[in-house]
Amino acid sequence: DSGVTQTPKHLITATGQRVTLRCSPRSGDLSVYWYQQSLDQGLQFLIQYYNGEERAKGNILERFSAQQFPDLHSELNLSSLELGDSALYFCASSVDSGTSYTGELFFGEGSRLTVL
Amino acid sequence: GIQVEQSPPDLILQEGANSTLRCNFSDSVNNLQWFHQNPWGQLINLFYIPSGTKQNGRLSATTVATERYSLLYISSSQTTDSGVYFCAVRVYKYIFGTGTRLKVLA
Repeated sequence: DSGVTQTPKHLITATGQRVTLRCSPRSGDLSVYWYQQSLDQGLQFLIQYYNGEERAKGNILERFSAQQFPDLHSELNLSSLELGDSALYFCASSVDSGTSYTGELFFGEGSRLTVL
Repeated sequence: GIQVEQSPPDLILQEGANSTLRCNFSDSVNNLQWFHQNPWGQLINLFYIPSGTKQNGRLSATTVATERYSLLYISSSQTTDSGVYFCAVRVYKYIFGTGTRLKVLA
């Protein structure tokens, strides 16, 4: 158990719908990252938050948005869903501090999204 | 941006064999990690190794930061070692390699 909690574990929805994925980081970790892994593909970095603020942005679509709340949990919102959005969505956290970029990354078990 | 290449892309071994997985990266990094993604999709931390050598049971890893590569050694492989092995490097965000898909046959 990495200490990173993601919900839901599985989600099936229809095209055009909107879903929210939730992540609770490990206790004490200030950074939260979101990654997307399509079938048999690598991990694509979407976005990073540090202590409530956006720190880095990757290949995140405009239909997707995220935020980190004061209690440090994070949500990834996916809207106007398309078939191609079907994927495993991972949340990860690391302790980080200030401008330090050396924190070890720990992953949740992922949320498997299927868009029909 | 920084490029991360892993080799080989695919590997099939008989149980008990040894293997070496390689990760090359194109620029200086602050951190490097190895992960194992098991057949159920879970990403498991293997090593946090920005430099030097570490060992954990049958697995060991070496990172030579000045030459921009890292190696993951798996000895006496078992069927439970099957899955995909990723290295990830960090400048400010983590960038993942494309992975090595390992299948260990009984």
